[in-house]
Amino acid sequence: QVQLQESGPGLVKPSESLSLTCTVSGASISSNNYYWGWIRQPPGKGLEWIGNIFYTGSTYYSPSLKSRVTMSIDTSNIQLSLQLRSLTAADTAIYYCARAHYSGYDYYFDLWGQGILVAVSS
Amino acid sequence: SYELTQPPSVSLSPGQTARITCSGDALPKQYAYWYQQKPGQAPVLLIYKDTERPSGIPERFSGSSSGTAVTLTISGLQTEDEADYFCQSADSDGNHVLFGGGTKLTVL
Repeated sequence: QVQLQESGPGLVKPSESLSLTCTVSGASISSNNYYWGWIRQPPGKGLEWIGNIFYTGSTYYSPSLKSRVTMSIDTSNIQLSLQLRSLTAADTAIYYCARAHYSGYDYYFDLWGQGILVAVSS
Repeated sequence: SYELTQPPSVSLSPGQTARITCSGDALPKQYAYWYQQKPGQAPVLLIYKDTERPSGIPERFSGSSSGTAVTLTISGLQTEDEADYFCQSADSDGNHVLFGGGTKLTVL
């Protein structure tokens, strides 16, 4: 059974950087059929895509976050990482990692982690 | 910038049929996907490639597509269907993901 688990700090100060990790269990991260994505959801609001990464390290980022985001992948430890810089209160959200099924022309998320709430506050 | 538009809320009674629309200019060229999210839980994939249902999703849930809009239909509403529903698609190059704003379905 494939599972994804996010981990990281629950509170970060404004202007600082956020680093989150997603550990994948029960599956190989090195598959040609899947990308791995990060999505966030501010409390009480909708879903916002942050970016996707392939096991080779190829990435696609949301245009609105691209200047502040870096995603990486560790295939030996089966982990994904997300770094988001220059945080403001608007970055307060539940952050999800998810498996992105790649059909050759687009993606959809068929498996999600439980999410981790990150608050940005001094 | 490209957007997907959903109605903010829909309210119906048990047994009725819910139809939630999602509109966007690129939808004639890109597939749409639907997710259900209940309070305190992660989203769950309901429909992929406009009309396909993953295994384990009840037949009450179906998807359709017409022009610049896609529709999620939930037949025979049950109280457990009360949730937020999000559509998802991609921009014209397929590499950037978009979510609709979400629709809160109330069943009472």
